[in-house]
Amino acid sequence: ETGVTQSPTHLIKTRGQQVTLRCSSQSGHNTVSWYQQALGQGPQFIFQYYREEENGRGNFPPRFSGLQFPNYSSELNVNALELDDSALYLCASSRREAIPYEQYFGPGTRLTVT
Amino acid sequence: DQQVKQNSPSLSVQEGRISILNCDYTNSMFDYFLWYKKYPAEGPTFLISISSIKDKNEDGRFTVFLNKSAKHLSLHIVPSQPGDSAVYFCAASRSGAGSYQLTFGKGTKLSVIP
Repeated sequence: ETGVTQSPTHLIKTRGQQVTLRCSSQSGHNTVSWYQQALGQGPQFIFQYYREEENGRGNFPPRFSGLQFPNYSSELNVNALELDDSALYLCASSRREAIPYEQYFGPGTRLTVT
Repeated sequence: DQQVKQNSPSLSVQEGRISILNCDYTNSMFDYFLWYKKYPAEGPTFLISISSIKDKNEDGRFTVFLNKSAKHLSLHIVPSQPGDSAVYFCAASRSGAGSYQLTFGKGTKLSVIP
């Protein structure tokens, strides 16, 4: 059984640029969530996708957007990057029909904005 | 407004002894609680969970206790092993919220000394 994978591992962008991060869900999982983890903090919920639709959003501005594809892979897009967007971005997948709170995380993408 | 709090940033324990990690929450709507373990350069790994209808859940060396009246939960690791050295995150969720989002604490770094 393949776990959650994310790409790229690391990324450096300049303020004002746009970035796309990618995630492949664990086999058999149909829900994907994205979290932002700033240094010294716990992961913070960005949004969740189920059946290719956004299904809940945390306190993040609209320049954070996402997609879920029919194969349950997902993208996180961030426009107009700001210095405070520098963080570890985590993708987590789960089966909505199982215990949906038990989400399984990928290794993350470390984004640095300069 | 931090709804899940882990007030101890770090904890050191001798190998073979008990490790007790604490977590407090403020939102009485939370009804499902989880502990995750995170090693450097890896995503959080699900460890154990507990529903609010229970006050204890065990899985091998790991036991989670929930005190709803005090809005407090704790993770006990017995006996502690050097491989348990990691950052431990407490997370909470509430059913009926639709998105099954997890709210995390800031984490406690556990060091198990051989």
